Amino acid sequence: GENVEQHPSTLSVQEGDSAVIKCTYSDSASNYFPWYKQELGKRPQLIIDIRSNVGEKKDQRIAVTLNKTAKHFSLHITETQPEDSAVYFCAALTNTGNQFYFGTGTSLTVIP
Amino acid sequence: DTAVSQTPKYLVTQMGNDKSIKCEQNLGHDTMYWYKQDSKKFLKIMFSYNNKELIINETVPNRFSPKSPDKAHLNLHINSLELGDSAVYFCASSPSGGVDTQYFGPGTRLTVL
Repeated sequence: GENVEQHPSTLSVQEGDSAVIKCTYSDSASNYFPWYKQELGKRPQLIIDIRSNVGEKKDQRIAVTLNKTAKHFSLHITETQPEDSAVYFCAALTNTGNQFYFGTGTSLTVIP
Repeated sequence: DTAVSQTPKYLVTQMGNDKSIKCEQNLGHDTMYWYKQDSKKFLKIMFSYNNKELIINETVPNRFSPKSPDKAHLNLHINSLELGDSAVYFCASSPSGGVDTQYFGPGTRLTVL
């Protein structure tokens, strides 16, 4: 099955700086890669996703890049704000099933 | 008007008891899921149902039994609760179970004493 690794597990940045979270996956058949944000005590919520036929996608301060050859994808948050503080999860979905494999999460703290 | 809802939000119970968690989605989605999130925040799939049919059954103890009376509902029944069952349980749904986003419910925090 798929194996998704996520790094770093914790990340602290100063407000206004950029944050980058990286994930690698093992199954070359994976073709959909969402990123979820989970605030303390809340549900995971989709913030951005990318499909395997696209190399980069941007939505305001958030961007995701995908390198299919290297089997890794990254979340980039620019001009971070305190409300960006949360746990971020990457996931991979293979086209052979409908199961999401989640990374282990990154706890991001944005210091005002 | 919540898209994916779960009840109860909190559940505190003694070891050995049997409890159920209910999940409903009003999005018209075909596929529903149960995830367990442990104290280290790791999200692990437990079950997946597509249109009332079980399609994913990860290695979970058979004390956990999902039931889907219709495609809008997926309930989770747990027998003989153990301390290690303490976690947050999330229900989720997706339109078809294919290359689709999953939408999560608010979670049920289960504490087994």
